[in-house]
Amino acid sequence: DVKVTQSSRYLVKRTGEKVFLECVQDMDHENMFWYRQDPGLGLRLIYFSYDVKMKEKGDIPEGYSVSREKKERFSLILESASTNQTSMYLCASTPVGGAYEQYFGPGTRLTVT
Amino acid sequence: AQSVTQPDIHITVSEGASLELRCNYSYGATPYLFWYVQSPGQGLQLLLKYFSGDTLVQGIKGFEAEFKRSQSSFNLRKPSVHWSDAAEYFCAVGPYIFGNEKLTFGTGTRLTIIP
Repeated sequence: DVKVTQSSRYLVKRTGEKVFLECVQDMDHENMFWYRQDPGLGLRLIYFSYDVKMKEKGDIPEGYSVSREKKERFSLILESASTNQTSMYLCASTPVGGAYEQYFGPGTRLTVT
Repeated sequence: AQSVTQPDIHITVSEGASLELRCNYSYGATPYLFWYVQSPGQGLQLLLKYFSGDTLVQGIKGFEAEFKRSQSSFNLRKPSVHWSDAAEYFCAVGPYIFGNEKLTFGTGTRLTIIP
């Protein structure tokens, strides 16, 4: 089975802190994604990566950056956390070659105070 | 641009009753269509998917969905719900384009089951 893991289930950070959210997948998938999930807004794509060191902005990239140094790991970085970044963050992966199903991690609930 | 509409924010159903969750999509060509379920505090799990062929697709946990091109719909159904089906359900659409694996998700429908 595909496994996508996220470094933390719950995280509490202060305004202005630099925050790293880590995601690791074990199925050698080329594509990885970061979403944020907010009530009533569904899932919104922040960034995605289709190869090592390659990335593209999603629908809401402002305030975020990403890093993909190894194929299995995709990091989301909040350079200076703000309270409006309090949310559930979901990571997903999928192989290249058409819109295959995305495999999701359990999510990280981030609270910025 | 592709988009997905789930018109029902919250649905309440009695245990044992039938269920239909609505999903309408907008996309100019043949889409990939998915239904995901999210149990409280969990990530998303794939229920079923439609790529081509038979327009009625079967998924896990007794769910099925029907693709209706003329109505741009992909509604999810279950003949008899169980208390464990209480969750949030997301419809998603993806383009039929090699190398473009982004999905667009709907805003979700929260399902409550009453005894």
